[in-house]
Amino acid sequence: NAGVMQNPRHLVRRRGQEARLRCSPMKGHSHVYWYRQLPEEGLKFMVYLQKENIIDESGMPKERFSAEFPKEGPSILRIQQVVRGDSAAYFCASSLAGGNEQYFGPGTRLTVT
Amino acid sequence: GESVGLHLPTLSVQEGDNSIINCAYSNSASDYFIWYKQESGKGPQFIIDIRSNMDKRQGQRVTVLLNKTVKHLSLQIAATQPGDSAVYFCAENRAGNQFYFGTGTSLTVIP
Repeated sequence: NAGVMQNPRHLVRRRGQEARLRCSPMKGHSHVYWYRQLPEEGLKFMVYLQKENIIDESGMPKERFSAEFPKEGPSILRIQQVVRGDSAAYFCASSLAGGNEQYFGPGTRLTVT
Repeated sequence: GESVGLHLPTLSVQEGDNSIINCAYSNSASDYFIWYKQESGKGPQFIIDIRSNMDKRQGQRVTVLLNKTVKHLSLQIAATQPGDSAVYFCAENRAGNQFYFGTGTSLTVIP
């Protein structure tokens, strides 16, 4: 039973480019959460999605960031026109239902040069 | 040793001693709590959880205590081992929505 999968594990982008981060939840999980983590800091909630629905995006910056979780395929976190401040580790977690135990993926480490 | 996550972000203990990591949560409406362990370069790993209708839960070498009166959560690790060295986060959940994570406490086990 595969856990939460994220790819790529490492992503390097130049300022102004787009970054696409993918997350495949655990089998049977329909709830996905995205978090951002800066070095030596905790996890900051970004967005909570169910299939085809955004439930809570209160932690997502208003501009350049978007997320989706289509009926088929992985959840995508998209960052347009990346800036150096976007450099961070981005973690995805999935759960069977809201408010239940979340299982985390290994993260995508984004570096903006 | 004992540490409050927000004020003492690092904790060092001797191998074989017990560790206590503390966490203060913010919302009295939070009804579900999880402790996670995060090793360097990896994603957080579930350790143990507890719901607000309980005040204690035990796992293998770990115990979580919940004091709702003072909104305090603690993680006790028995017979700490070098493999326990990591950053530990508490997370609180309110009404099935998003989780809020604490700052974290870095545990170092001295052989």
